[in-house]
Amino acid sequence: SYVLTQPPSVSVAPGQSATITCGGNNIGSKSVHWYQQKPGQAPILVVYDDSDRPSGIPERFSGSNSGNTATLTLSRVEAGDEAEYYCQVWDSSNEPYVFGTGTKVTVL
Amino acid sequence: QVQLQESGPGLVKPSETLSLTCSVSSASISGYFWSWIRQPAGRGLEWIGRIHNSGNTDYNPSIRSRVTMSIDTSKNQFALKLKSVTAADTAVYFCARGVAAAGSPLDSWGQGTLVIVSS
Repeated sequence: SYVLTQPPSVSVAPGQSATITCGGNNIGSKSVHWYQQKPGQAPILVVYDDSDRPSGIPERFSGSNSGNTATLTLSRVEAGDEAEYYCQVWDSSNEPYVFGTGTKVTVL
Repeated sequence: QVQLQESGPGLVKPSETLSLTCSVSSASISGYFWSWIRQPAGRGLEWIGRIHNSGNTDYNPSIRSRVTMSIDTSKNQFALKLKSVTAADTAVYFCARGVAAAGSPLDSWGQGTLVIVSS
């Protein structure tokens, strides 16, 4: 099955930028989606199709995807951005929805 | 704004069948894929399977032999059955919506329901 690898944790000071990576074999050929999950809550979609944002998601959330790595960037980080972030791709060969291992973002 | 709500027993005995229902409101159940995802405490997300309003299903290969999904368009609901459960099936179970297009994300989620497998 297709594997997506994320760093377990990222720490960032308020107002700075945080970068979360999602590694997968030739992930640049797939559409990558990103979800934010706060403790005790359901995930919410923050970026889809590599770099698009659903309505209501701030422009501070941006994404890119190339080669073997997709990236979610949180700009001008706020305390409310502290959460777990998951990447996800659709793998037509086996398991339609594959999730990354998750990255906990801590705002210092 | 579509809303999803999971319901079902919060406690299931080992070897029995876990049954959950997801009720969809403020949107039609037609034209979408409807998924179940679970999350053991302190761990990541695992996709279980999905069903289309046509009845077509896809299941995670790791759990396929124990899963059955169904859909009731008249009630705007879909359901999950997971048989022969063990403690490893203890998790928060989410239902979610996916646009019926290849590669589409899960754009709306229920709040999740905790299911504990224990005697």
